[in-house]
Amino acid sequence: DQQVKQNSPSLSVQEGRISILNCDYTNSMFDYFLWYKKYPAEGPTFLISISSIKDKNEDGRFTVFLNKSAKHLSLHIVPSQPGDSAVYFCAARGKDSSYKLIFGSGTRLLVRP
Amino acid sequence: KAGVTQTPRYLIKTRGQQVTLSCSPISGHRSVSWYQQTPGQGLQFLFEYFSETQRNKGNFPGRFSGRQFSNSRSEMNVSTLELGDSALYLCASSPATSDTGRAFFGQGTRLTVV
Repeated sequence: DQQVKQNSPSLSVQEGRISILNCDYTNSMFDYFLWYKKYPAEGPTFLISISSIKDKNEDGRFTVFLNKSAKHLSLHIVPSQPGDSAVYFCAARGKDSSYKLIFGSGTRLLVRP
Repeated sequence: KAGVTQTPRYLIKTRGQQVTLSCSPISGHRSVSWYQQTPGQGLQFLFEYFSETQRNKGNFPGRFSGRQFSNSRSEMNVSTLELGDSALYLCASSPATSDTGRAFFGQGTRLTVV
């Protein structure tokens, strides 16, 4: 039972354009949703998160949108840069205040120069 | 502040052996979680320790165990290693409270079982 899903295994965009990465979840008992960026053989790097009580959170080039009725969130990267090329993971944290994160399967983003 | 430190970075073990991985969290963080990353299963939660107590556990066999010390450092042990245990093992630390839900990850330990 996959509670957090990233249905697009890969995404390719042109440098300067917008990258939109999507994530769906099935459980309403999450209090935070997070996005991490990961390179092979390294630990995930935190990008941005959003509380379940909010609809949008912005940090520089990164914006996360949360649609609770659709149980869907998306990460927008504008403008995309070649250095953004990596695997992006969506994760969700339960409302029990523990730090158990449930990860999606990841989306590989390639930003073409 | 120093980040999350995992040792060793790389490890090769033989089937049937056991292994212990170590994680030093960020100073002041009391929560330490462990994750397994494999190509087929993605990032999967193993367990979380908070103030020396296991607070949450994932769906892994009893061969996987962990503990946390009074200084918040944590160790993870895998006994009777199987080929399928080959993976990147990641440790993450977090403060007692957070307004972002963020967990800080280490670089990981790459375990290869032969």
